[in-house]
Amino acid sequence: QKEVEQNSGPLSVPEGAIASLNCTYSDRGSQSFFWYRQYSGKSPELIMFIYSNGDKEDGRFTAQLNKASQYVSLLIRDSQPSDSATYLCAVSGGGADGLTFGKGTHLIIQP
Amino acid sequence: NAGVTQTPKFRILKIGQSMTLQCAQDMNHNYMYWYRQDPGMGLKLIYYSVGAGITDKGEVPNGYNVSRSTTEDFPLRLELAAPSQTSVYFCASSPNSEPQHFGDGTRLSIL
Repeated sequence: QKEVEQNSGPLSVPEGAIASLNCTYSDRGSQSFFWYRQYSGKSPELIMFIYSNGDKEDGRFTAQLNKASQYVSLLIRDSQPSDSATYLCAVSGGGADGLTFGKGTHLIIQP
Repeated sequence: NAGVTQTPKFRILKIGQSMTLQCAQDMNHNYMYWYRQDPGMGLKLIYYSVGAGITDKGEVPNGYNVSRSTTEDFPLRLELAAPSQTSVYFCASSPNSEPQHFGDGTRLSIL
């Protein structure tokens, strides 16, 4: 049984600070890693994906992957109140059989 | 470009009734997925399809059926609705299994 673990939070971060979200996964064969943002009552929205060890940056977002530790993280720089949402970590084995999601971390950016 | 369209957005069913949740995509994606999301939980895969005429079970398929007669459409059928099927249902599509683009979801209550 593939598992993806996230701290459910809430994680409270002051506006302008760096928000750090973490995720661990159980399947060492996992190939692809995704971060989705989900506002309350809305559908998941893809914000980052990463396939290789190391860092990947896109604007204010940085995804970090460490396959040896089975650990994925998402950093959000200069956090804004609009970043307040639930962030879902998802992993894939590289096949067609869908993504395995964590339960999500509820992030609150305090003005 | 509508992306992934789900209908209906909301529905209330009585125990034992049946219904079909519709999902259509206009991006010519081969891969399509159905997930359910219970409150405070991540998404769990119900069924997926890699192309017209091909479907396979995900993590939680019991009580559901799917068909894929065209590339565009991937309906999810609930037979004999049960309270445990109260959830938000998301359909997703992808050109090559990942990443996935989600529809707006169907909120289903079984009473």
